[in-house]
Amino acid sequence: AQSVTQLGSHVSVSEGALVLLRCNYSSSVPPYLFWYVQYPNQGLQLLLKYTSAATLVKGINGFEAEFKKSETSFHLTKPSAHMSDAAEYFCAVREGRSQGNLIFGKGTKLSVKP
Amino acid sequence: GAGVSQSPRYKVAKRGQDVALRCDPISGHVSLFWYQQALGQGPEFLTYFQNEAQLDKSGLPSDRFFAERPEGSVSTLKIQRTQQEDSAVYLCASSSTGTSAYEQYFGPGTRLTVT
Repeated sequence: AQSVTQLGSHVSVSEGALVLLRCNYSSSVPPYLFWYVQYPNQGLQLLLKYTSAATLVKGINGFEAEFKKSETSFHLTKPSAHMSDAAEYFCAVREGRSQGNLIFGKGTKLSVKP
Repeated sequence: GAGVSQSPRYKVAKRGQDVALRCDPISGHVSLFWYQQALGQGPEFLTYFQNEAQLDKSGLPSDRFFAERPEGSVSTLKIQRTQQEDSAVYLCASSSTGTSAYEQYFGPGTRLTVT
């Protein structure tokens, strides 16, 4: 069965510092992987997706993620945090090419200190 | 263009009442999903439609939950005899066959509070 583990329910960084949010997945077949961001009282917005075309994926707002099959990881990074990055981030997995549902991690709340 | 919309945004129900939550997907999107997000948790799958056909309802927590999409566009999630454990944000998402990853686009959610 598929699952997603996000290490750290809460991460705090200083403005301008590196952001690293961790995600590990389990899947019996090559997965599709996604990172979503959720601002308070809003729905989820897609940041980036992995579709097997390239292991390093660039997304919106300066975020990127690297798919590492050997580590079953898909960590999200941003070189320099901005105050507006404060939000909750969710990693999600879906097996194969079907239009099935997403399996989400529990989320990581990112705080950015001035 | 217009995104996924949901109504109402907030709903307070007394325990035992029935509620109906509406989702308007992005025009032309054939797939529609409902998720339940409890406080402090990630979204959890409830049910999935392709056009008007409900292809997967394995995530519905009980027979008090019912979803429909009669014309393959707007969908309604109905919860009968609401219980306190039903309090959550209900998210709707839609996707199309136009992209290889079938990424899902989410609405703002309906926050249901059962008192």
